[in-house]
Amino acid sequence: GAGVSQSPSNKVTEKGKDVELRCDPISGHTALYWYRQRLGQGLEFLIYFQGNSAPDKSGLPSDRFSAERTGESVSTLTIQRTQQEDSAVYLCASSLSGGRNTEAFFGQGTRLTVV
Amino acid sequence: AQKITQTQPGMFVQEKEAVTLDCTYDTSDPSYGLFWYKQPSSGEMIFLIYQGSYDQQNATEGRYSLNFQKARKSANLVISASQLGDSAMYFCALSGGSYIPTFGRGTSLIVHP
Repeated sequence: GAGVSQSPSNKVTEKGKDVELRCDPISGHTALYWYRQRLGQGLEFLIYFQGNSAPDKSGLPSDRFSAERTGESVSTLTIQRTQQEDSAVYLCASSLSGGRNTEAFFGQGTRLTVV
Repeated sequence: AQKITQTQPGMFVQEKEAVTLDCTYDTSDPSYGLFWYKQPSSGEMIFLIYQGSYDQQNATEGRYSLNFQKARKSANLVISASQLGDSAMYFCALSGGSYIPTFGRGTSLIVHP
């Protein structure tokens, strides 16, 4: 597809379970970002990939959160032992090269609900 | 560290009128980019307009223009001739030396017929 694709679009999980969220960036985009958006809030930075390395993991809220990226392609965000406060929309974005003058293109997000 | 402040949680405008959405920023980077995104109720983030810190002229994209005042560290979005479809959340973002866009809390815009 031409855009950033995220799956699943919706995920309901029980507290304590692990979840995996997937992001397929636009082909050729080397930079990939994960953000979290709680209801009615702005975007909270989680992690940034340049290629398959993660220069900045500073936004990951706890060691229950991890992410990886395969080459300059798919990324997976994993949340272990989910808590109710993890409920949010998780947005993935990619950009051509990263950088301060390159816009990011966003996926539709994964709405995660922890019950 | 970089920070974006959007002080207007909600704005209302009459259809066909112009509206200005405020954005102020703080960064220690000498070179940076400023972006505006639109988020309709469907949830997707749509890129609207970009302004580079060294650009001499204000950016324009169709009905969108960015009123960039570097000394005041402001980057306000102006939407001319508002349409009903402009009703959405609007986010201002800054990308500096870390190459990671930082977003404001957003402004909800409602366009009245």
